[in-house]
Amino acid sequence: GQNIDQPTEMTATEGAIVQINCTYQTSGFNGLFWYQQHAGEAPTFLSYNVLDGLEEKGRFSSFLSRSKGYSYLLLKELQMKDSASYLCAVRDVRDYKLSFGAGTTVTVRA
Amino acid sequence: DGGITQSPKYLFRKEGQNVTLSCEQNLNHDAMYWYRQDPGQGLRLIYYSQIVNDFQKGDIAEGYSVSREKKESFPLTVTSAQKNPTAFYLCASSAGRAGELFFGEGSRLTVL
Repeated sequence: GQNIDQPTEMTATEGAIVQINCTYQTSGFNGLFWYQQHAGEAPTFLSYNVLDGLEEKGRFSSFLSRSKGYSYLLLKELQMKDSASYLCAVRDVRDYKLSFGAGTTVTVRA
Repeated sequence: DGGITQSPKYLFRKEGQNVTLSCEQNLNHDAMYWYRQDPGQGLRLIYYSQIVNDFQKGDIAEGYSVSREKKESFPLTVTSAQKNPTAFYLCASSAGRAGELFFGEGSRLTVL
C-alpha cells in the first residue's frame, strides 16, 4: 500500500511563491500526480512525474525524487484563484491503483 | 463535449435504504473508478474497473457494489450495510490503467 504525507494547510500572499511537499512510501512506484480541487468541486489534473527531476507547466512546477520518496508542487505568482486544496497521489506499479494524500489547503491572501 | 457525468449531485437517503449513484463517461476510456472523500481525508478508492464486465475492490469496498456492463457506465450502489455513507462521492475515468484520472463533478450523499 501507500503512505502519503503532505501538510494540512498553507497560507501565502498574492504574487508570492508557495511550495507544497509530499512524501510517500510505496513498495512499487509508478508515477506521482498532483491535482487541484476547489471546495465542493472535482479535482483537476495539474502535473505528472514518473522520472526524477522538475516538470514545469506555466506557473506550476512539480519535482520528484524517487530515491527520497519526495515530491513538491511549486506555485509561482500566486493568484487569489489558486486558493484550493492540492492533492498528491501515487500510483502503484502492481495494480495501477492511485492513492491520494489528505490534501493541502492553500489560502492566498491579498 | 467529452466528459464524465455524475448524478444526482445531491442525494438524501434514510437509514436502511440502498441508493445508486450514476456515472457516465463519453471519453471512450477503458478504466473507471469510484472514490469517497470525507473532510480532512484523502480520496479513498471504493471500486475500480479496467475493462467492461470486470471490476476490483478498492480499499473500502465494504457496503458498496458496482457493475460494469457498458464501457461508458459504472454505477455505484451504496447499500444499507455501509455504516457511515454520508460523504462526497467522486467518479473518475482514465484512458488506460496508467493514464491520468478525469473526475466527474461528484455526488454528495447525506443519510438522514
